[in-house]
Amino acid sequence: DQQVKQNSPSLSVQEGRISILNCDYTNSMFDYFLWYKKYPAEGPTFLISISSIKDKNEDGRFTVFLNKSAKHLSLHIVPSQPGDSAVYFCAASGGSGKLIFGQGTTLQVKP
Amino acid sequence: EAGVAQSPRYKIIEKRQSVAFWCNPISGHATLYWYQQILGQGPKLLIQFQNNGVVDDSQLPKDRFSAERLKGVDSTLKIQPAKLEDSAVYLCASSLGGLQISYEQYFGPGTRLTVT
Repeated sequence: DQQVKQNSPSLSVQEGRISILNCDYTNSMFDYFLWYKKYPAEGPTFLISISSIKDKNEDGRFTVFLNKSAKHLSLHIVPSQPGDSAVYFCAASGGSGKLIFGQGTTLQVKP
Repeated sequence: EAGVAQSPRYKIIEKRQSVAFWCNPISGHATLYWYQQILGQGPKLLIQFQNNGVVDDSQLPKDRFSAERLKGVDSTLKIQPAKLEDSAVYLCASSLGGLQISYEQYFGPGTRLTVT
């Protein structure tokens, strides 16, 4: 039972363009959502988060959008840079601090 | 500020052998997590400690996996005996914890385990 799903295993984008990574969830009790970025041979690093009381959170080039009715969130990266090439995980929490992760999307930004 | 430390970084063992992983969280972080990440999947929580008490171990295969966090700081995760399907990266993470829930977790580099 996959409660958090990232249906696109990979995404390729040209440098300077927008990258949009998507995530769907099934549990309506989730109230906090996070995006993590992972480079090879390193642990995931926190990128950006959003509470269920908001529908948008922005931090520099990164914006997360939350659509609670659709149980969908997305991460927008504008403009995309080659250094953004990594695996991106979305994660959700139901209030205990425990995180449920999606399968990840590999982003490749081409120069 | 030092990050989460883990050792070893890589380990290769034969099935039915035992193995142990060590984690040192960020100083002052009360909550410690162990995750298993199988290739192509996201991290899956195995066990969560608050100080030296277990908060959640619902997905820990207790017949072969054990974990402890002595004195509420360092932690060890042990597998005995190992199976082929235990091949994965084992990630340790920590968060501030305390009275207020802190969602942001800081991860170590992980230990890549290969069971042959």
